[in-house]
Amino acid sequence: ILNVEQSPQSLHVQEGDSTNFTCSFPSSNFYALHWYRWETAKSPEALFVMTLNGDEKKKGRISATLNTKEGYSYLYIKGSQPEDSATYLCAFPNTGNQFYFGTGTSLTVIP
Amino acid sequence: DTEVTQTPKHLVMGMTNKKSLKCEQHMGHRAMYWYKQKAKKPPELMFVYSYEKLSINESVPSRFSPECPNSSLLNLHLHALQPEDSALYLCASSQDPGVGSPLHFGNGTRLTVT
Repeated sequence: ILNVEQSPQSLHVQEGDSTNFTCSFPSSNFYALHWYRWETAKSPEALFVMTLNGDEKKKGRISATLNTKEGYSYLYIKGSQPEDSATYLCAFPNTGNQFYFGTGTSLTVIP
Repeated sequence: DTEVTQTPKHLVMGMTNKKSLKCEQHMGHRAMYWYKQKAKKPPELMFVYSYEKLSINESVPSRFSPECPNSSLLNLHLHALQPEDSALYLCASSQDPGVGSPLHFGNGTRLTVT
């Protein structure tokens, strides 16, 4: 079982603020890093699949970066909105399709 | 709406019962997964099916028995469960059984064992 850590565990921000959080993973034997958003009473939804060191991906106000050499990925949300409130999970596969999830960052955006 | 459908949404069962969880996807995905998630913990991988064959079993107790009748369906048969097995059971699928394909999740089955 791989150790995938996310920080902070929870975050409260005001509407309009920008925020970011971290996923740390083992830097050896890197294959890919996934980010998911999990809203209450819904299913987890894939945001990004990142495979190359230095990758930067963007989807609307959300973006992510990847550093495979040091074993971390950042997720950024610009101008947070209440609908961004969710738990954000990263997942790190070892070989094949054994995905190991971090404990998540719970984001609450206060109107 | 999720494209992975799980039934039932909620299930309460006694320790001597036999029940099944069902998962269905019609996206033509070739890999399907069962995850277990307990409160404030990350989803834990249980089983992976690739091209309808069981490829990964994460040392799951035999009281959980997976089945993949065809490429669209995934079942999890439950028998003689313990109260500590109460959890959210998530099904997921991916286009390919590889690290580059994102997982598509169902809404889960909330299982309570009494």
